[in-house]
Amino acid sequence: QVQLVQSGSELKKPGASVKVSCKASGYTFTSYPMNWVRQAPGQGLEWMGWINTNTGNPTYAQGFTGRFVFSLDTSVSAAYLQISSLKAEDTAVYYCARDKYGSGSYGFDPWGQGTLVTVSS
Amino acid sequence: DIQMTQSPSSLSASVGDRVTITCRASQSISNYLNWYQQKPGKAPKLLIHAESSLQSGVPSRFSGSGSGTDFTLTISSLQPEDFATYYCQQSYSTPPTFGQGTKVEIK
Repeated sequence: QVQLVQSGSELKKPGASVKVSCKASGYTFTSYPMNWVRQAPGQGLEWMGWINTNTGNPTYAQGFTGRFVFSLDTSVSAAYLQISSLKAEDTAVYYCARDKYGSGSYGFDPWGQGTLVTVSS
Repeated sequence: DIQMTQSPSSLSASVGDRVTITCRASQSISNYLNWYQQKPGKAPKLLIHAESSLQSGVPSRFSGSGSGTDFTLTISSLQPEDFATYYCQQSYSTPPTFGQGTKVEIK
């Protein structure tokens, strides 16, 4: 079945970097864009941007430029989110989520299980 | 960016109740409106896309309606497993934006 499996929770100190992985299975990885969504503790869902899994071209939402990098390894059907110069306010659950149909117009399905990134000294 | 406003932010209901959640967009989004269910500690799950198309496997007690700027998610008979937070999302334009969520709690 179509599935996204993310890497485990991370505890990082301020200023450090983290790389979250999202491994896809059950479909042709390069046929569907991958999105990243952030959920701060007790808060709602915030779209961070997406990456074209065919070309590798990323698009970042406002507020997620500079320290946030989306990347791919198509040989293992994986997408990555790297966050550098971590701040306490980066503490959140980060989700990868596939475009349902590939056009971006019909929602995100499926989602990874989420990766909790905690930034604390 | 298109702002999505849900109401209410939370509600208390009993098993068997009919529950309605509304979502309003700051501009017309045609029918590019999706609904998600999120249970504590879990990832969101797509329930409905394109305003009223039910995802495979989602019970028929869930339904969506509306167009333009005003949309509704209805649960016809609330079941114990439906207690969760529900989010609407517009996919009409980039960035896709979510409502703030509606928490459905047990009365």
